[in-house]
Amino acid sequence: NAGVTQTPKFRILKIGQSMTLQCTQDMNHNYMYWYRQDPGMGLKLIYYSVGAGITDKGEVPNGYNVSRSTTEDFPLRLELAAPSQTSVYFCASGPGGNTIYFGEGSWLTVV
Amino acid sequence: AQRVTQPEKLLSVFKGAPVELKCNYSYSGSPELFWYVQYSRQRLQLLLRHISRESIKGFTADLNKGETSFHLKKPFAQEEDSAMYYCALSGLRSDMRFGAGTRLTVKP
Repeated sequence: NAGVTQTPKFRILKIGQSMTLQCTQDMNHNYMYWYRQDPGMGLKLIYYSVGAGITDKGEVPNGYNVSRSTTEDFPLRLELAAPSQTSVYFCASGPGGNTIYFGEGSWLTVV
Repeated sequence: AQRVTQPEKLLSVFKGAPVELKCNYSYSGSPELFWYVQYSRQRLQLLLRHISRESIKGFTADLNKGETSFHLKKPFAQEEDSAMYYCALSGLRSDMRFGAGTRLTVKP
């Protein structure tokens, strides 16, 4: 049982480049989340989804986009990378209003 | 808007000493509160949630609605408790929000 899988694990981007962080879960969870983790700032919610076709903004959505075409996948897109987006990104999923399960994280550096 | 505050970024105790990690929240409805833990080189994982009123690894947390707090406590800290601890709140829309985290170090 893989749980929540994120790719890539590490990535270096140049300012202005675009990329997609992939996230997939095999637990048939309706709820999925993207967080960023910055030192001393904890986890900030970027976007979340309560089911396929439904997404909603979290605390820090600017500069990011998401889609949820299937229950399993919840990719996070960075359109024009900026140094402020250097962070560790975590995808998570859960059955709703309950425990959520995290991926291993994706380390992104924008230079 | 919902908010979770963890006032201590760092907390250091000696092995065998009691430990309390503070968490305060603001939310207009009835929140669901959680403690998550991240051990070194491991995924963030659930430690406990208020609704189940359980003790996990000797840790307990009581929801105090009057003080809007959900402090995490353990009477005798162990070295293996050293980790990053996050308090989290799930609102009506199941948007799970986290505090800034407290890094606990248990010294031998």
